[in-house]
Amino acid sequence: DAKTTQPNSMESNEEEPVHLPCNHSTISGTDYIHWYRQLPSQGPEYVIHGLTSNVNNRMASLAIAEDRKSSTLILHRATLRDAAVYYCILRPRGSNYQLIWGAGTKLIIKP
Amino acid sequence: KAGVTQTPRYLIKTRGQQVTLSCSPISGHRSVSWYQQTPGQGLQFLFEYFSETQRNKGNFPGRFSGRQFSNSRSEMNVSTLELGDSALYLCASSSNPPGDYTEAFFGQGTRLTVV
Repeated sequence: DAKTTQPNSMESNEEEPVHLPCNHSTISGTDYIHWYRQLPSQGPEYVIHGLTSNVNNRMASLAIAEDRKSSTLILHRATLRDAAVYYCILRPRGSNYQLIWGAGTKLIIKP
Repeated sequence: KAGVTQTPRYLIKTRGQQVTLSCSPISGHRSVSWYQQTPGQGLQFLFEYFSETQRNKGNFPGRFSGRQFSNSRSEMNVSTLELGDSALYLCASSSNPPGDYTEAFFGQGTRLTVV
């Protein structure tokens, strides 16, 4: 199974943009890239997903490298409520939830 | 509308016992999936159900089983519990079947401790 690699933790200042990197060098052509986040004592929460093109939604932007071997989640203006563990995940086409989770990046937001 | 509800929230069991965990999806959602979360292994996929049928299964031993009822509620069962089964068990629901992705909504999980 293809896997993802993320930094263990990152720090950012409040109200600044945050770029969370993810490496997935063994991704297959039919794997989707998803991002979820998990706040303390809660279940994961969907953030964004994409296949080949960059994607934007109200929460974040997803930038996917041309060779699809890496991607970056962009939080445009981090707040204290964005402090969470962010997971970069691959989803094989044909299964909705057989997600292959990485170890995640713990995002620390400094006021 | 109400979110995904998992019961119980906390559970302590003894090695060798069995346990049943329950998940009520968001109203109208027909897909339910289960995950195990441990500090060492992170989140691992257990199974995925749609319309009472198991559509996908992760790499877990046969002691882990599940089912989905006609009202989309789901249960998972773990028999002959081992210490290593101590984990947070998460359930997620979504409205669409496999192959037609929509975001998954997770419950808060059931914290199982095996002693």
